[in-house]
Amino acid sequence: GAGVSQSPRYKVAKRGQDVALRCDPISGHVSLFWYQQALGQGPEFLTYFQNEAQLDKSGLPSDRFFAERPEGSVSTLKIQRTQQEDSAVYLCASSLVGEQYFGPGTRLTVT
Amino acid sequence: DQQVKQNSPSLSVQEGRISILNCDYTNSMFDYFLWYKKYPAEGPTFLISISSIKDKNEDGRFTVFLNKSAKHLSLHIVPSQPGDSAVYFCAASFQGAQKLVFGQGTRLTINP
Repeated sequence: GAGVSQSPRYKVAKRGQDVALRCDPISGHVSLFWYQQALGQGPEFLTYFQNEAQLDKSGLPSDRFFAERPEGSVSTLKIQRTQQEDSAVYLCASSLVGEQYFGPGTRLTVT
Repeated sequence: DQQVKQNSPSLSVQEGRISILNCDYTNSMFDYFLWYKKYPAEGPTFLISISSIKDKNEDGRFTVFLNKSAKHLSLHIVPSQPGDSAVYFCAASFQGAQKLVFGQGTRLTINP
């Protein structure tokens, strides 16, 4: 595909459920990023991969958040035991050099 | 603490005039700055960037200015067009960190 794709686009989860969000980066992009965007705020960094290596996970808010990119391409962000404060748009971005290209995001609503 | 700040939540400009969006940062380690544009239900789209070794970068109707001593950057759009109506985010990074630090965004509305 031409751009970064994410699925699902919308997810509603009951509090306490586990969710998995998928990101397909632009083909050939080495770097992959996850961001969390709360309503009315700018995106906030969660974690960064270079190929399959997770080089920075300093933005993950708790140990309920886990990300992986086992083959250096598709990535999954998993949130265990979701809480209401996890409600946000989760953005994935990929890059080769320089600017990051963002997907459309997954809007997660925890009820 | 908010390392990148966009103090104007919204801005309204008449079509054809200049739009100026402002951004301030606190971390002097930042050496690369970007502007992104976001439409509803879409991800941010890269607009223009500038390295800290420059003070101006121009691309068509978009110009970014960087004032390192004031830790301030601005995006100028001229002439403004209705399709420019969107939320604009400034972002910053520094070498070796890769991650972007975003401001809160400014909603730009271009009035016909």
